[in-house]
Amino acid sequence: EAGVAQSPRYKIIEKRQSVAFWCNPISGHATLYWYQQILGQGPKLLIQFQNNGVVDDSQLPKDRFSAERLKGVDSTLKIQPAKLEDSAVYLCASSPKAGTSGYNEQFFGPGTRLTVL
Amino acid sequence: QQQVKQSPQSLIVQKGGISIINCAYENTAFDYFPWYQQFPGKGPALLIAIRPDVSEKKEGRFTISFNKSAKQFSLHIMDSQPGDSATYFCAASIRGGATNKLIFGTGTLLAVQP
Repeated sequence: EAGVAQSPRYKIIEKRQSVAFWCNPISGHATLYWYQQILGQGPKLLIQFQNNGVVDDSQLPKDRFSAERLKGVDSTLKIQPAKLEDSAVYLCASSPKAGTSGYNEQFFGPGTRLTVL
Repeated sequence: QQQVKQSPQSLIVQKGGISIINCAYENTAFDYFPWYQQFPGKGPALLIAIRPDVSEKKEGRFTISFNKSAKQFSLHIMDSQPGDSATYFCAASIRGGATNKLIFGTGTLLAVQP
């Protein structure tokens, strides 16, 4: 089974520029998550999709961040314009629809390391 | 109340020793407590998880101990090996419901010396 794919793996941009990240979840996984992981910290959820609908975007800085999941499969996360504090690893994760146990095993991609200069 | 506090920040253990990482939470609604392992350049991977209705869960050399009254849980790695060197994150969530959002601790960088 192929894992969660992300691209690019690395990106360096100047502040105020725009950047986009792409994620392809595990086939059949209904739920997709974008996390921001700042160096030395745990991942922080930015946005969660269930199929192509947003379930939770309470921690997404909506003035500069946007995300979409067209057709309930691939997703893109965009930052426009980027700030220095956006330097982080952006992780995409997916999970199948929870079974009767309701557990939420999330499978993570390798992440995109963003450096904003 | 949504935080998960993790300690220590870093840990050095000799090969064959026991590694212990601790986490504490406040939200009593949390009912799923996974541990994730992350190697450099990789995404976190689920290592082991526990529900609050059991006090201990063991999988191979990895054991979670859970203390519901103290709102604490810990990861024990027995017979630690150099290949265990990684960053470990505890997490918590509320299973079921609309979001199943995971709240992560700040991570522990484990180095196992040969």
